[in-house]
Amino acid sequence: GENVEQHPSTLSVQEGDSAVIKCTYSDSASNYFPWYKQELGKRPQLIIDIRSNVGEKKDQRIAVTLNKTAKHFSLHITETQPEDSAVYFCAASWGQLTFGSGTQLTVLP
Amino acid sequence: NAGVTQTPKFRVLKTGQSMTLLCAQDMNHEYMYWYRQDPGMGLRLIHYSVGEGTTAKGEVPDGYNVSRLKKQNFLLGLESAAPSQTSVYFCASSPGQGDTGELFFGEGSRLTVL
Repeated sequence: GENVEQHPSTLSVQEGDSAVIKCTYSDSASNYFPWYKQELGKRPQLIIDIRSNVGEKKDQRIAVTLNKTAKHFSLHITETQPEDSAVYFCAASWGQLTFGSGTQLTVLP
Repeated sequence: NAGVTQTPKFRVLKTGQSMTLLCAQDMNHEYMYWYRQDPGMGLRLIHYSVGEGTTAKGEVPDGYNVSRLKKQNFLLGLESAAPSQTSVYFCASSPGQGDTGELFFGEGSRLTVL
C-alpha cells in the first residue's frame, strides 16, 4: 500500500520567516497531494492541494511543489504569522488518501 | 448546513465494553470515512464507504465494524474495547473518492478505554 513520510515532526520559526515541510510517497501511481491544517482541538481542514500534472501551486502565502521523479512534495509558508501555528498533514492518493504523520509548526512572536 | 457531525464528542469505556460512534453528513456525499488519530502517527484510515450499503477496510480495521444503512450516516462500532483503541476518531466525507477533492471532517470523538 501507499506510504507517506513527513519531515520534520516539529518545526519552530520566528514570525515573518519561512517554513518548509517535506513529504515523500511510495506509490508512483499517486496523482493527488493535499495538505491539511489542524489547529489545536479542531478538525483537519484542507489548505492547498496539487495534482500530478502540475509542478507548483500557490495561494497567497502558501505554496506546494511536487517532484514526481523523486516522489516528494513540499509545503512552503512565507511570512509566517502566529495563526499559522498548527499541525500540518500531507497526504497522497491513488484512490483513498494516505496521510503523513504530521508536523507541529510553532511560529514564535 | 451542519456539514459532518459526530456523536458523542467524548466517551470513557472499560476494557471489553462496546460502543458505537455515529457520523452524519448533510452534503449528500457518496464517500464516508473513519480515521483514528494518535500522537506521531497522523490520520490512519479504519474503514470507508463508497455509497449507501457499502463498506471497505482501510489501513487499521481490526477491532472495528462499520455500517452505512443510510447515505447520510456512517456508524463505527467497537464490539469489545481495548486500551489500544484509546484515540481521537474523525469521520469525514467527500463527494468522490480520495483523489477527487477535499475531505470534510467532523469535529472528532475522543475515546478513552481504561
